[in-house]
Amino acid sequence: GQNIDQPTEMTATEGAIVQINCTYQTSGFNGLFWYQQHAGEAPTFLSYNVLDGLEEKGRFSSFLSRSKGYSYLLLKELQMKDSASYLCAFLDSNYQLIWGAGTKLIIKP
Amino acid sequence: GAVVSQHPSRVICKSGTSVKIECRSLDFQATTMFWYRQFPKQSLMLMATSNEGSKATYEQGVEKDKFLINHASLTLSTLTVTSAHPEDSSFYICSARPGLDFSEQYFGPGTRLTVT
Repeated sequence: GQNIDQPTEMTATEGAIVQINCTYQTSGFNGLFWYQQHAGEAPTFLSYNVLDGLEEKGRFSSFLSRSKGYSYLLLKELQMKDSASYLCAFLDSNYQLIWGAGTKLIIKP
Repeated sequence: GAVVSQHPSRVICKSGTSVKIECRSLDFQATTMFWYRQFPKQSLMLMATSNEGSKATYEQGVEKDKFLINHASLTLSTLTVTSAHPEDSSFYICSARPGLDFSEQYFGPGTRLTVT
C-alpha cells in the first residue's frame, strides 16, 4: 500500500530554524514535493527531490533519502510570513501525486 | 512563470442548483489538468484527472455524474457541481501540467464553494 505521514502541527520562534519531517511508503516512487499553503489559498511549489541528498533554495532546503522513505523541509531564519501549512507529496509509479495531510507551522515572535 | 487562474474565487449557491468552476492556464498549454477538493484542515484530495479532448478519469468514490469535468481546450477545464448539497461545500483547486514533465504542476488559486 501507499501512505505518507507528517506531523500535524509544529511551533517555532521567529528567526529560528525548523525541520518538518515526512515519511512515506510506496512501491513506486518518482520524486517528492514540498508545497506551502497559506489558509484559504492554493499550494505553492517549494521543492522537488528525485535523488537522494539535500537541495538548498535560499532559506528553504529539502532533503530526501529514498532508501529510508524519508524527507524533510528545513526552514531557516523563520519569518512570521512562514506561518502556513506545509504539504509533502510523492509521485507514485503512475505519476500521481499522493499527498500528506500537511503540517501546520505556527511562528511565534 | 506559469499561471493558472480559477473563476469564481468564491461562490455561494442554494442546495439543488449547479455551479460551474473554470480553470485556465494563462501562458501555457496544459495537456493535463487536475481537480482537487480540500476540506478544512485536511489535505488535498484528487477528484479527477483530465486530458484535453478526452473523458476525465475519476478517482474512486467521486461521482462522475455529479462532478462533471470538461477539458475542451488546452487552456480550459471546467468542473460543474450538479445538484449541489451542503456537504459539497469545500475548497476546489485545479492544477495544470504543461507537458510530459511530471514534476511540473501549477495550481490555481482555488474556489471556495458554499452550498446553503
